[in-house]
Amino acid sequence: DAGVIQSPRHEVTEMGQEVTLRCKPISGHDYLFWYRQTMMRGLELLIYFNNNVPIDDSGMPEDRFSAKMPNASFSTLKIQPSEPRDSAVYFCASSPFPGMDGYTFGSGTRLTVV
Amino acid sequence: SQQGEEDPQALSIQEGENATMNCSYKTSINNLQWYRQNSGRGLVHLILIRSNEREKHSGRLRVTLDTSKKSSSLLITASRAADTASYFCATDGGSYIPTFGRGTSLIVHP
Repeated sequence: DAGVIQSPRHEVTEMGQEVTLRCKPISGHDYLFWYRQTMMRGLELLIYFNNNVPIDDSGMPEDRFSAKMPNASFSTLKIQPSEPRDSAVYFCASSPFPGMDGYTFGSGTRLTVV
Repeated sequence: SQQGEEDPQALSIQEGENATMNCSYKTSINNLQWYRQNSGRGLVHLILIRSNEREKHSGRLRVTLDTSKKSSSLLITASRAADTASYFCATDGGSYIPTFGRGTSLIVHP
């Protein structure tokens, strides 16, 4: 398995633009997580899905953020409109079951909003 | 917050020495996990230890868990320059969904 695949690796966009981050989890992993990492706040859980259904989105900072998982092999995190404070590294991770196994993280998307 | 807190924030040692990092947390857990993150990369899972376990080993890694003190430690024996990374503990606060601490930055000098 190629692991969790995220794209793009780097994204530079102007304030106000829409940004879409993509994730392909490991096949057979029923849980998918989106995290954001910054120096100031560390690693924050934004939202997670179980069997493609959003379970907890309480970490999504505001309505500008939305996430979808249309099928078991694909998820998106969208920011519209983007702001400079959204600059961070966004990670996707998947797990067969969080209580039994650890997460497998993707390599992340480094987002810079100018 | 239910997230763990690692201590120290930064650790600098010589190759061959042992490195010990600690994690303290506030609420009861089902399990605790340790991860490593190399610069510019995603986190890599190292060890998961359940609340009814006291110690686990994986290669040069040894993790202990003391639920009475709400603390865990990660020991890396005979460290190598390649162990240079940030190390995070993740606690689940009873929900099986872990939250991460701020990490310990380890530098191993060759």
